[in-house]
Amino acid sequence: NAGVTQTPKFQVLKTGQSMTLQCAQDMNHEYMSWYRQDPGMGLRLIHYSVGAGITDQGEVPNGYNVSRSTTEDFPLRLLSAAPSQTSVYFCASSYHIAGTNNEQFFGPGTRLTVL
Amino acid sequence: TQLLEQSPQFLSIQEGENLTVYCNSSSVFSSLQWYRQEPGEGPVLLVTVVTGGEVKKLKRLTFQFGDARKDSSLHITAAQPGDTGLYLCAGMEYGNKLVFGAGTILRVKS
Repeated sequence: NAGVTQTPKFQVLKTGQSMTLQCAQDMNHEYMSWYRQDPGMGLRLIHYSVGAGITDQGEVPNGYNVSRSTTEDFPLRLLSAAPSQTSVYFCASSYHIAGTNNEQFFGPGTRLTVL
Repeated sequence: TQLLEQSPQFLSIQEGENLTVYCNSSSVFSSLQWYRQEPGEGPVLLVTVVTGGEVKKLKRLTFQFGDARKDSSLHITAAQPGDTGLYLCAGMEYGNKLVFGAGTILRVKS
């Protein structure tokens, strides 16, 4: 099992450019999510999905789009990059079993810089 | 979104010392998780506490969940350089959503 994989590892963008951060998992997890991590602020939820075809907004969704066409993949799209989106982005996945506390497995992260 | 306050923000101690990290909220969570994160990697789950008053031990790490399920603590006994890292608490909201504290950076010097 590769677990949760993310590409690219590093990315530099210019303001206004768009790009897609890739995330894939091979554990057949229903639940997938995207977080951003900024110094002194912990991880903040951007978008999440409880299954293929279902997505919802988290705490900081503005400027980001997601889709979930398969169980395995959950890409995050930056529509028009801004310097405020400079951050480290983590994808996570878990089972989605009601009434249990499902462990979330995190990818290694993508470090994004927007100039 | 509920908020979790974590303290202290930074902790630098000598090998062999004990330490406690606190995680507090004004809201009730269904469970609370503690993660450890090393530079350049994603967080890794250490423990989940579910029941008010629950205490869990993981070798030299002791985790407590407050009786009212609003706060938690992580106590490390006889810290070692290998304990160095970022420790994050996270409260579980409805629907598997996690709310993270800001984290505690721990440095253990040999």
